[in-house]
Amino acid sequence: DAGVIQSPRHEVTEMGQEVTLRCKPISGHNSLFWYRQTMMRGLELLIYFNNNVPIDDSGMPEDRFSAKMPNASFSTLKIQPSEPRDSAVYFCASRLGASGNNEQFFGPGTRLTVL
Amino acid sequence: TQLLEQSPQFLSIQEGENLTVYCNSSSVFSSLQWYRQEPGEGPVLLVTVVTGGEVKKLKRLTFQFGDARKDSSLHITAAQPGDTGLYLCAGGSNSGYALNFGKGTSLLVTP
Repeated sequence: DAGVIQSPRHEVTEMGQEVTLRCKPISGHNSLFWYRQTMMRGLELLIYFNNNVPIDDSGMPEDRFSAKMPNASFSTLKIQPSEPRDSAVYFCASRLGASGNNEQFFGPGTRLTVL
Repeated sequence: TQLLEQSPQFLSIQEGENLTVYCNSSSVFSSLQWYRQEPGEGPVLLVTVVTGGEVKKLKRLTFQFGDARKDSSLHITAAQPGDTGLYLCAGGSNSGYALNFGKGTSLLVTP
């Protein structure tokens, strides 16, 4: 079975450009998470979807960040305009069910560098 | 936000040594998950503990959940280079939907 798929794996862009990160969760999983990981702050939850509906976006840094989940098999995280401080590894994870005790399956991440 | 503090932040040991890493919080969790993350990859679940005082063993790894369900430890016996990675603990809640992750312990095991 394919795990969580993320694209691109690496993205280098210039400040001010729009960046779109993509995620395909594991089939049948109804919870989806976007995280950002940096050395300084560790793994931070940005947004959580359940059954394609955003449940909590309190972790989204500011209005420059937006996320969508148009269907059960696809989600995007967009940064517009990007800034150097957005440089990080962005992970998508999916989970079966809504319980906080259930296992989350992570994708390989997108390493974003904003120059 | 329920904070999870992990210690030590970094650990470098030689193959064959034993080690323990810790995950502490002032909050009570319904479950505690341990993940391992290798360079260039996403975290992968190692174990979930749900009962206070619970001990689980996974080959050379022993996980313990504190009696009060506020802390956990991971003990590795006879560490091997393949154990190298970032070990993350994450607290779960019955009423919540998301995990609270610690910042992790970065382990390096040298031959």
